[in-house]
Amino acid sequence: DSGVTQTPKHLITATGQRVTLRCSPRSGDLSVYWYQQSLDQGLQFLIQYYNGEERAKGNILERFSAQQFPDLHSELNLSSLELGDSALYFCASSTLAGSYNEQFFGPGTRLTVL
Amino acid sequence: AQSVTQLDSQVPVFEEAPVELRCNYSSSVSVYLFWYVQYPNQGLQLLLKYLSGSTLVKGINGFEAEFNKSQTSFHLRKPSVHISDTAEYFCAVTAIKAAGNKLTFGGGTRVLVKP
Repeated sequence: DSGVTQTPKHLITATGQRVTLRCSPRSGDLSVYWYQQSLDQGLQFLIQYYNGEERAKGNILERFSAQQFPDLHSELNLSSLELGDSALYFCASSTLAGSYNEQFFGPGTRLTVL
Repeated sequence: AQSVTQLDSQVPVFEEAPVELRCNYSSSVSVYLFWYVQYPNQGLQLLLKYLSGSTLVKGINGFEAEFNKSQTSFHLRKPSVHISDTAEYFCAVTAIKAAGNKLTFGGGTRVLVKP
């Protein structure tokens, strides 16, 4: 158990809908990351937050948005869902924001878009 | 920008045999290197990392990796595998002097350990 929690574990929804994925980092970690794992694209970095501020951005679609709240938990919002958004979404956390900080991964949320 | 290539998508291996998983990377800047393991239906767990110093890095569960800067490689090895090593393994890099900590992953190598 990494100490990173993600809810829900599974999510099934229809095209065009909007969903919210939630992540609670390890106690004391200030940085949160979101990754998408799909058969087509593999594991891809989406976005990083550090203490409530966006720190780095990957190939995150405009339909996707994220935020980190004052209590340091994070939410990833996915809207106008398409079949291709079906994937495993991982959250990770680290103590600080720099590249030497080990990232601890949660168990993931499996999103299925029908 | 960085890219990571894992040269084998699947590696079947017999129990107690050695295994090597190959990883090559490309980057215009200096990077840190990592190997992660993903067991079925679980998240990723760090096996080992290279930040600086000795190019031979030892990790958990008997794994080790060697960083070769001239060949831009970071191959993972284990001298004797167990059934429990059946998993998918990911090589990843992150730029040292970036503002953030974006991990760029390879495509993964599935290791199937046979009895």
